[in-house]
Amino acid sequence: GAVVSQHPSWVICKSGTSVKIECRSLDFQATTMFWYRQFPKQSLMLMATSNEGSKATYEQGVEKDKFLINHASLTLSTLTVTSAHPEDSSFYICSARGSGTSGSNQETQYFGPGTRLLVL
Amino acid sequence: AQTVTQSQPEMSVQEAETVTLSCTYDTSESDYYLFWYKQPPSRQMILVIRQEAYKQQNATENRFSVNFQKAAKSFSLKISDSQLGDAAMYFCAYRSAGTYKYIFGTGTRLKVLA
Repeated sequence: GAVVSQHPSWVICKSGTSVKIECRSLDFQATTMFWYRQFPKQSLMLMATSNEGSKATYEQGVEKDKFLINHASLTLSTLTVTSAHPEDSSFYICSARGSGTSGSNQETQYFGPGTRLLVL
Repeated sequence: AQTVTQSQPEMSVQEAETVTLSCTYDTSESDYYLFWYKQPPSRQMILVIRQEAYKQQNATENRFSVNFQKAAKSFSLKISDSQLGDAAMYFCAYRSAGTYKYIFGTGTRLKVLA
């Protein structure tokens, strides 16, 4: 239970293009999802919190126009990196707050497997 | 603001032995949650153990247990009978009761020696 998937797992794109990453809670409904960025050998940096049906809340220093987050349903959140540049290359991880069903705990975040983005 | 500190960038343990990873945190809140997550080379974050601050009893999950010292703001993870599959980065995380956001420590890389 409490499985979160991400797609794609790997993406290479050209500078200036946009990339969309999907995060899905497979066996539970997630009212709240989170997007993180992780640089090599570093900890996770929270980018934004998204609640189903409302605008995402971005952390200080994160450009909301560059990292568009949509949480249109209780099982899907998307992160779109717009006009990607090489400095956006990173590992992006999503997580979902548990719902209390399917073995998920409401006080816990369950993480997806991550998406590696390389911008050339 | 809350902070989480993991003072051991790297630890090593012999297979079948016991190792303890340290985590301290700073908060003025009385109600919160603490977590240990494991990140193996696949980079999938896996929940190891969770502790509610209002519970005095230390959480245990099979070979994993914590030593939660609320007054000292310490939350260490003990891994017993270490296995090669335990090799990973371990992150300590703090969560206020009033929010679902995590604050992560910088991580400890655990190496398990055969």
